[in-house]
Amino acid sequence: GDSVTQMEGPVTLSEEAFLTINCTYTATGYPSLFWYVQYPGEGLQLLLKATKADDKGSNKGFEATYRKETTSFHLEKGSVQVSDSAVYFCALSSNYQLIWGAGTKLIIKP
Amino acid sequence: NAGVTQTPKFRVLKTGQSMTLLCAQDMNHEYMYWYRQDPGMGLRLIHYSVGEGTTAKGEVPDGYNVSRLKKQNFLLGLESAAPSQTSVYFCASSYQTENQPQHFGDGTRLSIL
Repeated sequence: GDSVTQMEGPVTLSEEAFLTINCTYTATGYPSLFWYVQYPGEGLQLLLKATKADDKGSNKGFEATYRKETTSFHLEKGSVQVSDSAVYFCALSSNYQLIWGAGTKLIIKP
Repeated sequence: NAGVTQTPKFRVLKTGQSMTLLCAQDMNHEYMYWYRQDPGMGLRLIHYSVGEGTTAKGEVPDGYNVSRLKKQNFLLGLESAAPSQTSVYFCASSYQTENQPQHFGDGTRLSIL
């Protein structure tokens, strides 16, 4: 069946560092791919999405490119801030549901 | 814009007690979902609904029941709460077309003693 694999956390970085959180997937067909963010004590918010191969989703300085050849959707940001500390989830659409990765906790130190 | 509203936000139950979690959405979404989130386990789908009057089992349905009597509401029931059901519960909704994102409520933190 369809699945999503994320890099394990926590990921700890200093402010202004470059961020990459890896996400790879297994799917039949052509799913849409999503990144969600969960700040402490809150629900999940859609961060960005891509609906077809080579699409780039972007929001709040974060980017991810839908790579069909490597079945990946890695999340990147050029310069992280303390306020980016959160848990990040990668997900793909499958039969009107979302298949979720386990989440990656990101800690940014000032 | 309220979006997805979950009630209550916190609750403590004793083993064997019953309760109902309410989810309401004002976006006219057809699809609604109940998840639980446990440390290190990510999100797991409990039940979902593809429209008013319909429900279906997700990955971890045992011990829970759901109802979707109105399009805007999706209820999650625990008939006899167990400590293993201590978790944070999230409701989500989405449009009925494929590949749509889900919109989440703020969660209900439930503790079973």
